[in-house]
Amino acid sequence: QVQLVQSGADMKKPGASVKVSCEASGYIFTNYEIHWVRQAPGQGPEWMGRINSADGHTKYSLKFQGRLAITRETSANTAYMELNSLRSEDTAVYFCARGAVSFDYWGQGTLVTVSS
Amino acid sequence: EIVLTQSPGTLSLSPGDRATLSCRASQSVSSRFLAWYQQKPGQAPRLLIYAASSRATGIPDRFSGSGSGTDFSLTINRLEPEDFAVYYCQQYSNSLYTFGQGTKLEIK
Repeated sequence: QVQLVQSGADMKKPGASVKVSCEASGYIFTNYEIHWVRQAPGQGPEWMGRINSADGHTKYSLKFQGRLAITRETSANTAYMELNSLRSEDTAVYFCARGAVSFDYWGQGTLVTVSS
Repeated sequence: EIVLTQSPGTLSLSPGDRATLSCRASQSVSSRFLAWYQQKPGQAPRLLIYAASSRATGIPDRFSGSGSGTDFSLTINRLEPEDFAVYYCQQYSNSLYTFGQGTKLEIK
């Protein structure tokens, strides 16, 4: 069965960086894009960016350009999301999701807390 | 960026009722690129409907989607206790994705 398993919760200080992993199983990793979506407490989901798992091409929301990097390691069937220059407003649950125009499988979510 | 506005913000209904949720886009959205999700507390969103009206794998037929252009809706017939959750619409356009702010479906 398709599964996306993310790394555990993390706490960072303002100005630091965070890197979250998303390990895929149950399907051919390079056949699907991986997207990153975050959800702040009490808010709706917010799309951050995506990676083409086959060729590594990325597309980012304008809101995060310059401080977001999405990468993948095909040998490990894993995608990564790294967000830099963290601020308190980046406190959220970060999800990876599989898809193209909609997202059919999601990771369990990773809580990232930014606090001094 | 296309903004999706969902209404109502909260819908209070009883099991067995029918729920109709609305999603209005600030610009026309291709029906192929409009999806609906259900989210329960502490869980990831779950894909219900894609391409405006196609049910995702394993979704009961009491869930249906419709609409075109700027107006889309999700209908849930014969509400079951497990249907009470938050629902989001999502669109894809010009390589960018946006979600609505959600409709909370609560038990009356």
